[in-house]
Amino acid sequence: EEQLVQSGAEVKKPGESLKISCQGSGYGFTTYWIGWVRQMPGKGLEWMGIVHPDDSETIYSPSFQGLVTFSADKSINTAYLQWSSLKASDTAVYYCARHLGFKYFNSHFYYMDVWGKGTTVTVSS
Amino acid sequence: EIVLTQSPDTLSLSPGESATLSCRASQAVTRTYLAWYQQRPGQAPRLLIYDTSRRATGIPDRFSGSGSGTDFSLIISRLEPEDFAMYYCQQYGDSPYTFGQGTKLEIK
Repeated sequence: EEQLVQSGAEVKKPGESLKISCQGSGYGFTTYWIGWVRQMPGKGLEWMGIVHPDDSETIYSPSFQGLVTFSADKSINTAYLQWSSLKASDTAVYYCARHLGFKYFNSHFYYMDVWGKGTTVTVSS
Repeated sequence: EIVLTQSPDTLSLSPGESATLSCRASQAVTRTYLAWYQQRPGQAPRLLIYDTSRRATGIPDRFSGSGSGTDFSLIISRLEPEDFAMYYCQQYGDSPYTFGQGTKLEIK
């Protein structure tokens, strides 16, 4: 079964750092981009960007560029999302999702077909 | 970036009825690269439709998608109790990918 397993819920204080993970199984992990989607409490979905597990190439949404960092370790089929200094406004559920589609020169066209269950991040003093 | 506006915000229907959910884009979606996702409370989103009208693996044929340019629809026929959930459209023809604000399908 193709699946993405995310790390557990986190409670952090403002200013702390955090790295959450997303481990794939049941398919060729290095074949597909992995992306991150934020859902703030009671709100909709926001696409944050993607990382390619094979070479760790990244594409960020402008809204999240510079605020978070994507990475991957293909030896353990895992992608990561990290913050260097959390803010209360980072409180949300973060989903990882496999991206299916194709890349053409500098353009990319991917939809999300396999999703993790989400990691709840709570940032509060 | 492309703004997607879904309507209505809430749709109240009874099991057995049909639902039509709309998604309008602020500019034409490249090559109909539009997807629909279902999200039940406390769960992750689930892919229903991609490329405007292609059903994802395991999605019943009660779900269908259509549209082009700036106007897209998701039609759910013969509503089942498990269909009452939140639905989001998403365009992936232009980066950054964007989602609509969602339509809540509730039981009347």
